[in-house]
Amino acid sequence: DAGVTQSPTHLIKTRGQQVTLRCSPKSGHDTVSWYQQALGQGPQFIFQYYEEEERQRGNFPDRFSGHQFPNYSSELNVNALLLGDSALYLCASSRLGANYEQYFGPGTRLTVT
Amino acid sequence: AQSVTQLDSHVSVSEGTPVLLRCNYSSSYSPSLFWYVQHPNKGLQLLLKYTSAATLVKGINGFEAEFKKSETSFHLTKPSAHMSDAAEYFCVVSDQATGNQFYFGTGTSLTVIP
Repeated sequence: DAGVTQSPTHLIKTRGQQVTLRCSPKSGHDTVSWYQQALGQGPQFIFQYYEEEERQRGNFPDRFSGHQFPNYSSELNVNALLLGDSALYLCASSRLGANYEQYFGPGTRLTVT
Repeated sequence: AQSVTQLDSHVSVSEGTPVLLRCNYSSSYSPSLFWYVQHPNKGLQLLLKYTSAATLVKGINGFEAEFKKSETSFHLTKPSAHMSDAAEYFCVVSDQATGNQFYFGTGTSLTVIP
């Protein structure tokens, strides 16, 4: 049983560009959450998707958007990249109703130059 | 508002000695509390969780934590450190008031000296 997978593992972008990160949840999970982990910090919640809709959102600007597909996989899109968007982006999956049990992927390391 | 304070940013112990990583939380409702471990270039792995059952929680790899409501603490302990325990540890709080959104602490880096 594959766990949570994310792609790509590393990404380098230039300021002002747009980026799309992808996540496949653990088998049997229907809820996907995204987190940003800056260097030396704990992960910060970006948003959560269930039934293809954004259910919750953290304190992130509208430049951060997402999508969930019918197969429960998810994308995180960031527009107009800033240097401060450089971070490790983590995806976590869970089952609705068992939301306390979140399984994390290995993350995508985004560097903005 | 929910928040977590990890009281030590770095902890260093000798192999075979006890480990104590401290965590205090703030929550408006009955919280769920977790400890996750992050090894270099690896994803976050759940060590243990408290979700309103027994206050002493046992996790993987010999770790345990005790939920103390009166002290709003959830400290992580292990009787004997192993070299493989060297990693970053995160304390996490969530509760129903925020739809079970996870709030992470800033992390504690554990170094194990041979």
